[in-house]
Amino acid sequence: DGGITQSPKYLFRKEGQNVTLSCEQNLNHDAMYWYRQDPGQGLRLIYYSQIVNDFQKGDIAEGYSVSREKKESFPLTVTSAQKNPTAFYLCASSGLAGNTGELFFGEGSRLTVL
Amino acid sequence: QQQVKQSPQSLIVQKGGISIINCAYENTAFDYFPWYQQFPGKGRALLIAIRPDVSEKKEGRFTISFNKSAKQFSLHIMDSQPGDSATYFCAATYTGGGNKLTFGTGTQLKVEL
Repeated sequence: DGGITQSPKYLFRKEGQNVTLSCEQNLNHDAMYWYRQDPGQGLRLIYYSQIVNDFQKGDIAEGYSVSREKKESFPLTVTSAQKNPTAFYLCASSGLAGNTGELFFGEGSRLTVL
Repeated sequence: QQQVKQSPQSLIVQKGGISIINCAYENTAFDYFPWYQQFPGKGRALLIAIRPDVSEKKEGRFTISFNKSAKQFSLHIMDSQPGDSATYFCAATYTGGGNKLTFGTGTQLKVEL
């Protein structure tokens, strides 16, 4: 089945540690996105990529890094510089790079910093 | 700054009733307004979407009403069923913006028998 897979589903880390969240899609989509969700707020865009080897900052990119070495993969690293990393992270993809259209979402990764 | 405001936060409707969820936006450049539906334990999925060249779009029991002058749009679920119980998110984006959706905060809908 085609879809978008995020892992791990739950992750705990100690303060000061970097952590990488995985996002893989087999939909042959060009564009991929990382969002962060906090209680009582809408999703906020962290980074997005419309093509391999290229990505742009979203609204809240500070403390995060990404790479897009392969079309199907868009990992997100939450660095120790991110002041409030505990959150729910959602990855999405879209087949219409540069245009409006349907986003396909993963089930999310919940990161808790101890 | 929240660019898409969604209400209510939660909604309980009797089976067969009409569920109405409202959203308001600020950015006049937005020209694509989708609604996403999310069931517990699942990723959110596109339900229905509208562009501002029409005031209404209907797909089965789901209708989007769009008021460009008021910068508001709403989702109506006619003949609501228990299987419609889910969280609904409105969103908005603009052509040429990289399909970066701005989401509302979500509405938890429960349809009771």
